[in-house]
Amino acid sequence: EVQLVESGGGLEQPGGSLRLSCAASGFTFSNYNMNWIRQVSGKGLEWVSYISGSSTTIYYADSVKGRFTISRDNVKNSLYLQMNSLRAEDTAVYYCTRDFSDWGQGTLVTVSS
Amino acid sequence: QAVLTQPSSLSASPGASASLTCTLRSGINVGTYRIYWYQQKPGSPPQYLLNYKSDSDKRQGSGVPSRFSGSKDASANAGILLISGLQSEDEADYFCMIWYSSAAVFGGGTKLTVL
Repeated sequence: EVQLVESGGGLEQPGGSLRLSCAASGFTFSNYNMNWIRQVSGKGLEWVSYISGSSTTIYYADSVKGRFTISRDNVKNSLYLQMNSLRAEDTAVYYCTRDFSDWGQGTLVTVSS
Repeated sequence: QAVLTQPSSLSASPGASASLTCTLRSGINVGTYRIYWYQQKPGSPPQYLLNYKSDSDKRQGSGVPSRFSGSKDASANAGILLISGLQSEDEADYFCMIWYSSAAVFGGGTKLTVL
């Protein structure tokens, strides 16, 4: 069974940093592209970033480019999102997804002073 | 104009069929893209339903009933999620998505009410 478990969310001040993690299990992690997608409470979905299985291809949404960094560790079966220079508008639930099919339960990031 | 446009709400009766549309912005040809559909219920993450590019290139999500199906309307430049035999449990938000210009783009979602 595919499992994706996000962690690392919490309350951070504007300008601060957070590192999200996503622990994957139930599949051969290195064979799959992964994404971070976020959702403001009660609102729609916003794609954040993509990373290919071998990390050779990475994409970011314009809204996070230059502030967020996606990475993965195929030995630890983990996906990461380093979030710097956080803004209030980054407040959302962050989901990791396997390709665009399987989703984790999400981790809440709140940026507020 | 948004890349993907979905009606904000739709109502239908139990047992009926509901056709949810996802209209691509003018200049973006629906025939070129694979359209993904997701269902989200309150308090839960989105659940992948299916993706559809053509009748010969589509994939149903694991465990997703066959009464959920995808198609396209080229004349309207839209992807369609058809839900037949509506059940009360189908009441949810539905989102479409395409991979466009090296980014995933989501529609704003349709709230489906079954009453």
